[in-house]
This record gives sequence, structure tokens and C-alpha cells, in this order.
Amino acid sequence: DAKTTQPTSMDCAEGRAANLPCNHSTISGNEYVYWYRQIHSQGPQYIIHGLKNNETNEMASLIITEDRKSSTLILPHATLRDTAVYYCIVRANFGNEKLTFGTGTRLTIIP
Amino acid sequence: NAGVTQTPKFQVLKTGQSMTLQCAQDMNHEYMSWYRQDPGMGLRLIHYSVGAGITDQGEVPNGYNVSRSTTEDFPLRLLSAAPSQTSVYFCASSYSWQSGNTIYFGEGSWLTVV
Repeated sequence: DAKTTQPTSMDCAEGRAANLPCNHSTISGNEYVYWYRQIHSQGPQYIIHGLKNNETNEMASLIITEDRKSSTLILPHATLRDTAVYYCIVRANFGNEKLTFGTGTRLTIIP
Repeated sequence: NAGVTQTPKFQVLKTGQSMTLQCAQDMNHEYMSWYRQDPGMGLRLIHYSVGAGITDQGEVPNGYNVSRSTTEDFPLRLLSAAPSQTSVYFCASSYSWQSGNTIYFGEGSWLTVV
């Protein structure tokens, strides 16, 4: 599985866009980039995923560079409820489908 | 549609006891899996199943058994609990094992082994 590198922590002011970077320089052609978040010790919550193109849903936008070696998750208008640990995951297309979560980025939204 | 349901939410076991963590999903998902999360760490895959009757080991399978007799249920059995198995356990499911499918997680089961 390709490994990912994320900053340990980030702060963002409430109401501003939160931009969370992720490096995945060893990603292979059929691997998707997934983003999950975990609030306190709740179950990981799916946010968004993509392969090559930029993606947007009701929660966030995902920007993947043309070479696919990095991506950015954008929360357009961060609220206090967005405070969580955010995980960038590259998912292998195999039967054992291991999601390698790593330690993620702890995002704190500042009032 | 309840999603992924785990029971119990909290459990305390004595060393050597056995127990089963239950996981059920009502989304007709083929793929189900169990993870554990230790303090300050990411999730690690214990066992997974790509369909009824088919299971396989993940990253940390020792001390755990699974079975998949129905599409809906994927119980995780602790054979002889040890303090090292104190952790939060998450069950997850997706439509299929192939990349590109969204994986949904349960709310977790907190297990303490004393």
C-alpha cells in the first residue's frame, strides 16, 4: 500500500476554509485517495474519495494534483464541529483491502 | 437503514475469558471487516470477509476468530482475552472489496481486559 504523509496538527479559524494537505508520492495507478475523519473516539466518518479528478460533495472538496502524488482536502466553511482527526488514506485494490490510517492531522477550529 | 451496528458498546473482561463482539449491517454489503484502535494510533485490520462463507486474516489476527454465515453479520470472537486486547474495536462494511467503494464504520466497541 502507498504510504501517506500528513501534518500532525493544524488550526483554522471558524468560518474560514480549512485546507488539509496529504502526500502520497508512491501511489499507484489504480489506488484511490480517501479521506475520513474521527471525532473524539467515534467511528471514522467517510468524507470523500477520488482517483484522478477533483471531487466535491456536500461536506468537502478533494483536489488531487495531476501527478497524483499529493492531494488537499478542503472544508469550505469550517465550523467548531469540524474539529477532529483527519485521515488521508490510499486504498489498495486488493481483496485484503487494508485501510492504512496512519496518525492523521488533528484539525482544531478556533472560534 | 441503521448502517453498521456494533454491540456491546462497552465491555470489561477478565483475563482468559472469551466473548463475541457483534456486528451487523443492513446495506447488503459484501465486504465486512474488523479493526482495532489503540490510544494515539490509527486503525489496524484484524480480519475481513469478502462475502458470506469467506473470511481472511488482516494485519493483527492473533487471538481473534471470525465467521460469516450471513451477509448481514460478522461477529468477532476473542478466544481467551488478554490485557493486550484492551482496545476500541470498529466494524466496517462496503458494497464490495474493490477500491472506489465507500467504507462505512460502526460507532465502536470499547473493550477493557483486566
